[in-house]
Amino acid sequence: DTAVSQTPKYLVTQMGNDKSIKCEQNLGHDTMYWYKQDSKKFLKIMFSYNNKELIINETVPNRFSPKSPDKAHLNLHINSLELGDSAVYFCASSQFGDREAFFGQGTRLTVV
Amino acid sequence: EDKVVQSPLSLVVHEGDTVTLNCSYEVTNFRSLLWYKQEKKAPTFLFMLTSSGIEKKSGRLSSILDKKELFSILNITATQTGDSAVYLCAVLLNTNAGKSTFGDGTTLTVKP
Repeated sequence: DTAVSQTPKYLVTQMGNDKSIKCEQNLGHDTMYWYKQDSKKFLKIMFSYNNKELIINETVPNRFSPKSPDKAHLNLHINSLELGDSAVYFCASSQFGDREAFFGQGTRLTVV
Repeated sequence: EDKVVQSPLSLVVHEGDTVTLNCSYEVTNFRSLLWYKQEKKAPTFLFMLTSSGIEKKSGRLSSILDKKELFSILNITATQTGDSAVYLCAVLLNTNAGKSTFGDGTTLTVKP
């Protein structure tokens, strides 16, 4: 029973396209995150939601729009994809935002 | 700006060796320091350290935090090839959304 699941696992798309990544957690956590991991394995937080409310937006371009329909789901929509968006995107969740994060398996996005 | 620095960036050892990974930090509003292990996919949680001087231990892995000198170490004794991974240090800030700042990671390779 997967705790944090995200789909798709791989996404290859052309520049200028719009794409979405979905994330769901069944841990009952109230805080969910999106992280971006670049080719050098550096993990950087993009967004944090607490009970469906956006709490952190780390100077991410407006082309990235997260949406949380309920506290178990946090989706990421990306408009007008650019080459520099190629990375692995991780969804994660934690309880109360003050405990360890549980990560999904990642979505490897390649923009060509 | 919050900063987490890990050293070394990479390390190659032989099975049976003991390794020490370092993490130093400069952040405002520190809550906890966390260690994660990342093999091929998602980071998985190892330790969360909140108090200075209290060693956390799990099998061959142990970790300790020094809040005065602002660093933590992760020790792995009697290394095995299965310990090969990227080890990530993250500092959790005292906010209501659990913002974590990650270091660049240490890539550990254990040779047979």
